[in-house]
Amino acid sequence: EVQLVESGGGLVKPGGSLRLSCAASGFTFSSYSMNWVRQAPGKGLEWVSSISSSSSYIYYADSVKGRFTISRDNAKNSLYLQMNSLRAEDTAVYYCAREGTGRRGFDLWGRGTLVTVSS
Amino acid sequence: AIRMTQSPSSFSASTGDRVTITCRASQGISSYLAWYQQKPGKAPKLLIYAASTLQSGVPSRFSGSGSGTDFTLTISCLQSEDFATYYCQQYYSYPPYTFGQGTKLEIK
Repeated sequence: EVQLVESGGGLVKPGGSLRLSCAASGFTFSSYSMNWVRQAPGKGLEWVSSISSSSSYIYYADSVKGRFTISRDNAKNSLYLQMNSLRAEDTAVYYCAREGTGRRGFDLWGRGTLVTVSS
Repeated sequence: AIRMTQSPSSFSASTGDRVTITCRASQGISSYLAWYQQKPGKAPKLLIYAASTLQSGVPSRFSGSGSGTDFTLTISCLQSEDFATYYCQQYYSYPPYTFGQGTKLEIK
């Protein structure tokens, strides 16, 4: 089955760190650019970061630049998001999303993992 | 960053209705626009990409149009399962990819 499964979310104090993982299966993970998108409670979608298939190109939203690091391990079919210096406003459901081949939007999403930053 | 503005933010409709949601980009994005549907507690689902191309498996009652700065998503005959929140997204110029604020479609 073609799917993405996120893990690693939880409750963390302000200033703390968390590492999210996204396990891919059912497709050739190494052929796709991947993204993290988040959604704060009751709010809309916010793109967080993207990484190209070979990790050559990496981009971040200004809101997380310098605090979050995206990476991938194509041998393990896995995507990661290392989140440091967490703030209350980082509280959200974090989704990993596959970028469709040939610039077709984000065609596959995981179910998301909830990150709560609170003291 | 390119700003995406959807209208309306929410509205009510009945099953069988034809509904249209609009999305406007703050600058031209050619046809690099996607539409997503999101139901409560679920991940977004890609409906349309390249402004008007239906994603595989999406019912034909969904259609998209537009290019440049103005785009529309139309649902020709609302079904009960279509009540959800819809988002547009530009992928012409990034970073950042930007989403519209969402349009919540509710049952009248």
